[in-house]
Amino acid sequence: RKEVEQDPGPFNVPEGATVAFNCTYSNSASQSFFWYRQDCRKEPKLLMSVYSSGNEDGRFTAQLNRASQYISLLIRDSKLSDSATYLCVVVPNSGTYKYIFGTGTRLKVLA
Amino acid sequence: SQTIHQWPATLVQPVGSPLSLECTVEGTSNPNLYWYRQAAGRGLQLLFYSVGIGQISSEVPQNLSASRPQDRQFILSSKKLLLSDSGFYLCAWITGLSSYNEQFFGPGTRLTVL
Repeated sequence: RKEVEQDPGPFNVPEGATVAFNCTYSNSASQSFFWYRQDCRKEPKLLMSVYSSGNEDGRFTAQLNRASQYISLLIRDSKLSDSATYLCVVVPNSGTYKYIFGTGTRLKVLA
Repeated sequence: SQTIHQWPATLVQPVGSPLSLECTVEGTSNPNLYWYRQAAGRGLQLLFYSVGIGQISSEVPQNLSASRPQDRQFILSSKKLLLSDSGFYLCAWITGLSSYNEQFFGPGTRLTVL
C-alpha cells in the first residue's frame, strides 16, 4: 500500500458545484497534513493545513479522519479558477523532516 | 518576507553532460531545505533534504548529489545526466524543527535531457 494515495481524477464539475476529494494515508502515527494546489507547469502552493478539528477557509473545508486514516478537501461553489491539481501531503512522524506527497487529484471546473 | 529562488528556470542538456541547479532562500535563517523531482504526470519524489550546512540526507540512490555550502543555498548536481533525469526540479524550505510547519516551494527548474 502506498504511503499516501489519491484518486487521480480528473473530476469534471460545472461552475458552482460542490466537489470533494479524499486522500488516504497508511501510517497511523502521521502527525501533520496539508493540501496543496498545483497549476499546470507551476510549483505547488499551500492551500491549507488540516487540523484535527477540521478547518475552513472561505469556500474550502479540510477534514481529518484519524480512525479511517484519510483527509478530505471540500470545495463549494466551484470557480473556473479552481481548476488545478490538488496534492495532499502527510508528515509521517514528529521529528522527521520528510513530507510525503500524494500524486494529486486533477480538477476541471467547466463553464 | 521569505522568498525562494531557483535557476535556471528551464534547461536542455545532452545525455552525459553535467548539471548544477541552484536554490537560495531569503528572509529566513537555518531553514530545512529540500530537493524534489516531478516527472511528467507524476507525483513529487523527494531527492534530498538538509537540516544545516554540510548536512545532506539522500532519499533515492541515483546519479544526483546535493550540497549545502551556505545556510541558505542548496545545490543539486550531477556529473553525467541520464535521459531519466528529465523532469521538474523543485526546491522547498521549512522553518524551525516542527513537522507542523508548512513547506514552501521555489518556482522550479524544468530540465529536459536529450
